[in-house]
Amino acid sequence: DQQVKQNSPSLSVQEGRISILNCDYTNSMFDYFLWYKKYPAEGPTFLISISSIKDKNEDGRFTVFLNKSAKHLSLHIVPSQPGDSAVYFCAARGGNKLVFGAGTILRVKS
Amino acid sequence: DAGVIQSPRHEVTEMGQEVTLRCKPISGHDYLFWYRQTMMRGLELLIYFNNNVPIDDSGMPEDRFSAKMPNASFSTLKIQPSEPRDSAVYFCASSSKDRVFNEQYFGPGTRLTVT
Repeated sequence: DQQVKQNSPSLSVQEGRISILNCDYTNSMFDYFLWYKKYPAEGPTFLISISSIKDKNEDGRFTVFLNKSAKHLSLHIVPSQPGDSAVYFCAARGGNKLVFGAGTILRVKS
Repeated sequence: DAGVIQSPRHEVTEMGQEVTLRCKPISGHDYLFWYRQTMMRGLELLIYFNNNVPIDDSGMPEDRFSAKMPNASFSTLKIQPSEPRDSAVYFCASSSKDRVFNEQYFGPGTRLTVT
């Protein structure tokens, strides 16, 4: 029973365009959400986060949107760059744990 | 700081053998986590420690898995006996107490292959 779902295994985007990665969750008790980025042969690294009391958080080219009523969050990358090609994990904080999704592979074509 | 260090980076072993994965967290971090990544299930939390004490091991799949943290700078994850379905990438992560569930620092992972 996956509480955090990333339904798109992969996404391909042209350089300079917007990348939108989506994440759905089922547990309404989650109070904090994070995105991690992972390059091959490396561990995931923290990218951006959002508290459940907010609906948007922005950091440079990265913006995370939270829709609590829909239990949905998304990560927008504008403009996308080839160096953004990686696996992106959505994570949610519930109790004393982070619950991760399965990840989405983003490929940015130059 | 060197970040979270894991060893070995790759491990290939035969079914039935004992496997030991090692982790050195970032100095000063109070929390240490072990995760497993598979294609099917993504990143799963296996166990985490606070001040060297196991707090939650509900993610440990079976009794074949065990983890220890004898001191603040070292932890092991042991699988005995190993099975092919244990093949995955195992990550160790650490965090300070004020960022523990907001931001974790991951090591590079150990890719385990059990034949």
